[in-house]
Amino acid sequence: AQTVTQSQPEMSVQEAETVTLSCTYDTSESDYYLFWYKQPPSRQMILVIRQEAYKQQNATENRFSVNFQKAAKSFSLKISDSQLGDAAMYFCAYYEGDSSYKLIFGSGTRLLVRP
Amino acid sequence: DTGVSQNPRHKITKRGQNVTFRCDPISEHNRLYWYRQTLGQGPEFLTYFQNEAQLEKSRLLSDRFSAERPKGSFSTLEIQRTEQGDSAMYLCASSLAGSEAFFGQGTRLTVV
Repeated sequence: AQTVTQSQPEMSVQEAETVTLSCTYDTSESDYYLFWYKQPPSRQMILVIRQEAYKQQNATENRFSVNFQKAAKSFSLKISDSQLGDAAMYFCAYYEGDSSYKLIFGSGTRLLVRP
Repeated sequence: DTGVSQNPRHKITKRGQNVTFRCDPISEHNRLYWYRQTLGQGPEFLTYFQNEAQLEKSRLLSDRFSAERPKGSFSTLEIQRTEQGDSAMYLCASSLAGSEAFFGQGTRLTVV
């Protein structure tokens, strides 16, 4: 069965600095998708960034970028120029596509941003 | 608001009572998902609808749980004979095929 592991329960970063959140996953599939979702306190989960496994190029969305290492089954999220509004729970998620439909989430990393 | 809407936002119920939650997806989305999230954990998949057909159910969905999506529009999740272990946040999400899932704000259930 596919699993997603986030080994950092909590991370802290100074405003304007850079932080990297780690995620590893286990799968025997070659085609899949990986996501990072942000869940602010008492607010809905929103998609931060997605990566298709067949793409070698790492995805980037403004201040957010990923380091996708397919062979190592690693998918880390880098947040540059951290802002107070980045404080939230961050979840890494795996999606196999139409063979399964469901997202498999890690346990999350709480990101604190110090002013 | 054109996002995913869930009602109620909070529900407190006594053990043994039945509860029903509603999810209104984004109108053109044909895929709808229910997840359960307990404190300090990531969401866990419960069930998936494509239009009105329930195509996948998790083993987490015991026979006390039932979900429907009549006419492929809104969905309801009912829990019968609630137990304290059912206390959690219940999240609904919707999507189009091949696109990202959009989540609602969830219904927080507390069973006392």
